[in-house]
Amino acid sequence: DTAVSQTPKYLVTQMGNDKSIKCEQNLGHDTMYWYKQDSKKFLKIMFSYNNKELIINETVPNRFSPKSPDKAHLNLHINSLELGDSAVYFCASSWQWASSYEQYFGPGTRLTVT
Amino acid sequence: GQQVMQIPQYQHVQEGEDFTTYCNSSTTLSNIQWYKQRPGGHPVFLIQLVKSGEVKKQKRLTFQFGEAKKNSSLHITATQTTDVGTYFCAGRETSGSRLTFGEGTQLTVNP
Repeated sequence: DTAVSQTPKYLVTQMGNDKSIKCEQNLGHDTMYWYKQDSKKFLKIMFSYNNKELIINETVPNRFSPKSPDKAHLNLHINSLELGDSAVYFCASSWQWASSYEQYFGPGTRLTVT
Repeated sequence: GQQVMQIPQYQHVQEGEDFTTYCNSSTTLSNIQWYKQRPGGHPVFLIQLVKSGEVKKQKRLTFQFGEAKKNSSLHITATQTTDVGTYFCAGRETSGSRLTFGEGTQLTVNP
């Protein structure tokens, strides 16, 4: 059983389109995250939710909107896609926010905007 | 805000050589974690260090946490091709704060 899953694995789309990436974790964790990894492998936190509540919202354009329908799911919707949005997006989860627990990452979604 | 810097950004070694990556924080950390990301894969947790001066080993990997809890290192002895990947450190400033990832060190091992 996959602990943290993401769909789709690959996403190729044109500028201006709107797309969504879904994430699910079956670990019973309270906290979920979205990270963006660019071509240089830098991992940048975008959002974090703890028990469905937003607790981290980094300097991310308003075109990015996360949604957590329940604590096992954290989806990412992106409006008006731009070339600079091309990257690998990782979802992750951990037991709790205010703790020292490790993060479990999903397999990633490679987004290519043309 | 908290910054976690990692050097080098890239390292190419011959198989059998040793490898070290260093992580430095602008502030004192409550703990530091290390992750490995294989090419095409996702980051996977390796270990967490909590105590000042702590040293932990996993087979050929040795992890250290500095006395001042502001720096850490990962040393791999006698690298193998299976060690290829990007190694990230991630530090937490206080127990309730976010985990900040370093920029990562991309390791290439030539057979």
